[in-house]
Amino acid sequence: DAGVTQSPTHLIKTRGQQVTLRCSPKSGHDTVSWYQQALGQGPQFIFQYYEEEERQRGNFPDRFSGHQFPNYSSELNVNALLLGDSALYLCASSRRDRVHQPQHFGDGTRLSIL
Amino acid sequence: AQKITQTQPGMFVQEKEAVTLDCTYDTSDQSYGLFWYKQPSSGEMIFLIYQGSYDEQNATEGRYSLNFQKARKSANLVISASQLGDSAMYFCAMREGNTGFQKLVFGTGTRLLVSP
Repeated sequence: DAGVTQSPTHLIKTRGQQVTLRCSPKSGHDTVSWYQQALGQGPQFIFQYYEEEERQRGNFPDRFSGHQFPNYSSELNVNALLLGDSALYLCASSRRDRVHQPQHFGDGTRLSIL
Repeated sequence: AQKITQTQPGMFVQEKEAVTLDCTYDTSDQSYGLFWYKQPSSGEMIFLIYQGSYDEQNATEGRYSLNFQKARKSANLVISASQLGDSAMYFCAMREGNTGFQKLVFGTGTRLLVSP
């Protein structure tokens, strides 16, 4: 039973560029959430997707956008990259109808902005 | 607004001893869930234990137990018989509400170091 998979593992970009991160949820999960974890901090919620729509959003600018596909996989896009976007980006999946079960996380994508 | 506070930046414990990691939370919601996750240096977040706000018994999962004191709004993680592999960052997180559209709010974490 495959868990949450994220790609790529590491990424280096320069300021002003854009980036796309990918996530495949755990088998049987239909909801995908994205988190940003800066060095030495706890993860911060970016947004959540269900049925291909953004359902909740955290306090992140519009430069951060996402998408969910019919197979439940998801992408996180960040435009006009800033140095402060350097972080570990975590994808988590869950089931919409299993409220009391935990979100399962992938290994993350480490994004470095030069 | 939801808030999770972890006041211990770092904790040290000897192998085979028990350790308690503190977590306090703030919410105005009656229905919420509390989670503990472990994050090794590799980066993945590993789920450890869950406590619902209406659960009357403290949650236990193997060597992990959660000391839930609702009136004090605390949800401390107790790890019994520490092992070297327990060395990692530990995060307390909260989910408000009972819908499926929920975000987790995390604390700043506690780094646990287990020595031989």
